[in-house]
This record gives sequence, structure tokens and C-alpha cells, in this order.
Amino acid sequence: KAGVTQTPRYLIKTRGQQVTLSCSPISGHRSVSWYQQTPGQGLQFLFEYFSETQRNKGNFPGRFSGRQFSNSRSEMNVSTLELGDSALYLCASGFIAGRTDTQYFGPGTRLTVL
Amino acid sequence: QKEVEQNSGPLSVPEGAIASLNCTYSDRGSQSFFWYRQYSGKSPELIMSIYSNGDKEDGRFTAQLNKASQYVSLLIRDSQPSDSATYLCAVGLYGGATNKLIFGTGTLLAVQP
Repeated sequence: KAGVTQTPRYLIKTRGQQVTLSCSPISGHRSVSWYQQTPGQGLQFLFEYFSETQRNKGNFPGRFSGRQFSNSRSEMNVSTLELGDSALYLCASGFIAGRTDTQYFGPGTRLTVL
Repeated sequence: QKEVEQNSGPLSVPEGAIASLNCTYSDRGSQSFFWYRQYSGKSPELIMSIYSNGDKEDGRFTAQLNKASQYVSLLIRDSQPSDSATYLCAVGLYGGATNKLIFGTGTLLAVQP
């Protein structure tokens, strides 16, 4: 089975712009979670989608949003980019959204905000 | 108090030794526990999952869970230089409106040849 794929792998944007990141989960997986990883804060949970519904959201401002499509692919959008948004954005997929769900990570999108 | 705590390290062990990585968590309702390995510049890779108290072995890796002490550990036997990476402990919180995986900040392991 193909793993989790994320596009693009690298992005350079300037402050004030917006960006959209894409994630395709493992075939058959219906849960997609997004994380932000920075050297200072580690892995921070952004949100989780399951069957096109956002099930949970982390403590990020409203500039961070996402959605999931009927084929389980997910997109994450960040509007009005700030320097502090520079990070590795990771997507993880799971078969179900539940207590025994194991999440598998994609390669990530490295976002640099100048 | 952080929800999931790990010693940042670096933890340095000689090749062939046992590396012991520790993690504590604050929410007694936590139901699932994972160890991920992350090489520099790469994404986290799942090593082990554990859900019940006790030990779970997979090759050179053993995960240990003690829910009463809110403690989970990972032992790596016969450590190899290729094991040098950051090890992330993750704790699953599920139920009601809460459904997320919380990560510790990771422990950097350095295996010396």
C-alpha cells in the first residue's frame, strides 16, 4: 500500500500571504490529522478530520483551517501568514478515529515564511 | 505541567548497550500509547504501540506501560548507531469531544560506535 503523501514538500511564502497544503491518506484510512512541528514547541496538534467532519481542534488561531473531501484527502489552509508559522507541517492518517487508532505520518511540508 | 513529558537528552549509549527512554503523562484517562522514531529532517515513524499495563516486545524494542504510575518507557536492546534519532512518546486521548494524540517533545538518542 502506498503511504501518506503530502504536497508540496517545500514552500516559501512571505508574510501576509496564504497557503494551502494537501494530504492524501493511506488507502482505506478515513481519519486525517494535522500537526505543526517546530524546534521550540515540538509536535503540536492542529485538527483531525474523519468522514469529512472536523472531530477535534488544537489551540491554534482561526487562521489555520482545514477540510476533508469525500475521498478522505485533506487540505489545510493558513491565511495571513506570520513568521512564526514557519514549521514542518505533518499529516497523519488512521483507519478509524477511535481509541485504538494508530496514526501514520506523511513526509511533511516544510513551510518557510519570509 | 506538560501533558506528556520526556527528558530531552541527549541520551548517549555505547553500541550494543540497552537504551532506556522514559515518558510520563498527566491525564489518567489516556488510553493508547505510542513510540515514534524521528530522524533529523524526516517525519515520525511508528515503532511501537501499547494499550495495556505490562511489557510488549517487538524485536529489539520493548515498550513498558504502568498506568498507575502514568509512565511508559521504551527499551532498545543491542543499540546500533542507526538507532540514533529523536524518540517521541505519544499518548492518545479519546472520548466525547476529545480525540487526539498528544506528543512529548522527544528524547534525542545518540548511540556511540
